[in-house]
Amino acid sequence: DIQMTQSPSSLSASVGDRVTITCRASQDISNYLAWFQQKPGKAPKSLIYAASSLRNGVPSKFSGSGSGTDFTLTISSLQPEDFATYYCQQYNTYPLTFGGGTKVEI
Amino acid sequence: QVQLQQRGAGLLEPSETLSLTCAVYGGSFSGYYWKWIRQPPGKGLEWIGEINRSGSTNYNPSLKSRVTIAVDTSKNQFSLNLSSVTAADTAVYYCHVEDYWGQGTLVTVSS
Repeated sequence: DIQMTQSPSSLSASVGDRVTITCRASQDISNYLAWFQQKPGKAPKSLIYAASSLRNGVPSKFSGSGSGTDFTLTISSLQPEDFATYYCQQYNTYPLTFGGGTKVEI
Repeated sequence: QVQLQQRGAGLLEPSETLSLTCAVYGGSFSGYYWKWIRQPPGKGLEWIGEINRSGSTNYNPSLKSRVTIAVDTSKNQFSLNLSSVTAADTAVYYCHVEDYWGQGTLVTVSS
């Protein structure tokens, strides 16, 4: 299985901060990477697919980059509604696998 | 507006079979795989498996011997069966396709 490693596992930030989360794959996954946001008690929300393409309705403050094994999710200006846990997922190879999550908190 | 509506039992005893259904409203998603994902309490996300409208499936090898995912195209819905459940299968189960997620179903396995 492809291991997805996210860093950091948690971070503290303030409103207005620029936040970057890293996701590393244990082998080359091209750009077959998705990002999800999850708030407590809620279903995940799809943010990004193909490493850098925003899902419908996702604000442009979210951006993704990377290819191969190293990827990043950036939130350009953190807002109160962005405090959540973020997960990456590879869909290059079965079984599909997720990173362990990054909790963004105040 | 697209909605994924999950149905199924939330409390099971060990050795029983988990059965969940996900009805898709407002879209057919032909050409896409419809997925089941679970999340144990306080933990991360785990992909269970997926199916497309033609009935082609892919399963997580860690669960493959116990999982069956089926599709009913006449009702635009798909289902998950997980046999011989144990406490380790306690989780919130989600259905998911493209941008859309079901509301989640907490399944608790306890005697």
